[in-house]
Amino acid sequence: AQSVTQLGSHVSVSEGALVLLRCNYSSSVPPYLFWYVQYPNQGLQLLLKYTSAATLVKGINDFEAEFKKSETSFHLTKPSAHMSDAAEYFCAVSEGWGNEKLTFGTGTRLTIIP
Amino acid sequence: EAQVTQNPRYLITVTGKKLTVTCSQNMNHEYMSWYRQDPGLGLRQIYYSMNVEVTDKGDVPEGYKVSRKEKRNFPLILESPSPNQTSLYFCASSQGLAGSYEQYFGPGTRLTVT
Repeated sequence: AQSVTQLGSHVSVSEGALVLLRCNYSSSVPPYLFWYVQYPNQGLQLLLKYTSAATLVKGINDFEAEFKKSETSFHLTKPSAHMSDAAEYFCAVSEGWGNEKLTFGTGTRLTIIP
Repeated sequence: EAQVTQNPRYLITVTGKKLTVTCSQNMNHEYMSWYRQDPGLGLRQIYYSMNVEVTDKGDVPEGYKVSRKEKRNFPLILESPSPNQTSLYFCASSQGLAGSYEQYFGPGTRLTVT
């Protein structure tokens, strides 16, 4: 069975500082991995996804994530935080063929300090 | 505009009163799914459908029903709602059966059962 662990339910960073949101997964097969962002009172929007191509994945709004199989990790980073990045972030894993179920982590709320 | 729509966005109801939350997508997607989001638990899948007349249970199907009579619509039915079904519900769709496809989420339906 697949599962996702997001370390830190709340993360605060100063504007302009590095953003690092952690995600570890478990999967019985090579996984597909996703990061979604949820702004207040909105649905989820895809930031980026890993589908077994390049291990360093670039997404929207200067976010990127690196797939590390040996560490079973898919951490999300952004070099310089912006006030508009304040939101909740979800890491998710899918095992692909068959059910398209995304198994989500419990989320990390990112706060940006002016 | 490609989108997933849900109605209603907000609903307050009483225990035992049947309700339906509608979901519609205009992208001709084969796969559709319902999730519920609860604080500290992330998103959990309720039901999914891989095509018309093909549905199956997700992780938390108890107390819910779905149907898929048309490709674009995937309503969620609560025959006898209970307070533990108070939650934020999301409908999602994706292009096909491969897990690499992005899932598009609706804006959410906030349900309160008293």
